Amino acid sequence: NAGVTQTPKFRVLKTGQSMTLLCAQDMNHEYMYWYRQDPGMGLRLIHYSVGEGTTAKGEVPDGYNVSRLKKQNFLLGLESAAPSQTSVYFCASSSQGNIQYFGAGTRLSVL
Amino acid sequence: KQEVTQIPAALSVPEGENLVLNCSFTDSAIYNLQWFRQDPGKGLTSLLLIQSSQREQTSGRLNASLDKSSGRSTLYIAASQPGDSATYLCAAFLSGGYNKLIFGAGTRLAVHP
Repeated sequence: NAGVTQTPKFRVLKTGQSMTLLCAQDMNHEYMYWYRQDPGMGLRLIHYSVGEGTTAKGEVPDGYNVSRLKKQNFLLGLESAAPSQTSVYFCASSSQGNIQYFGAGTRLSVL
Repeated sequence: KQEVTQIPAALSVPEGENLVLNCSFTDSAIYNLQWFRQDPGKGLTSLLLIQSSQREQTSGRLNASLDKSSGRSTLYIAASQPGDSATYLCAAFLSGGYNKLIFGAGTRLAVHP
């Protein structure tokens, strides 16, 4: 049972480059989330989705875009990466109000 | 705005001690309160989920309590072991249809033999 799978696991970008992080879940969950984790700040919600074709902004959405074209996938895009986006990114999924299941994370460095 | 605070930020104890990790939240309008464990370089693993109508949940050596009126939750770890060493995060799930977890910064626990 794969659960929540994130790709890639690591990435180094130069300032201004773009990339897409992929999250896939096999638990048929309606809700999916993207967080970033920075030292001493816990996890902060970037964007989330309550179902296929829907997205909403979280606490720190600036500089990111998301898409949920298929129920099982939630993509996080960085159009023009900045050093401030150096972080560890986590994807999670859940059914409404229940336990969130997390992926292993993507460690991103922007130089 | 909901804020979640965890105290202490770090804790180092000898094996066998009973521990209490604290979590406080500013807005009592929560749907549930969740405790997670995070090992270095890994994702988060859910430990316990307490619904807003509940007072506590137990799983093995772990017991989590919730007091909405005071805005507090505690995670009690009995007879700590070196394998318990990790960062423990609490998160408040907002009610009112927001579908969001607000995380604390975590307590980094080290249990030494």
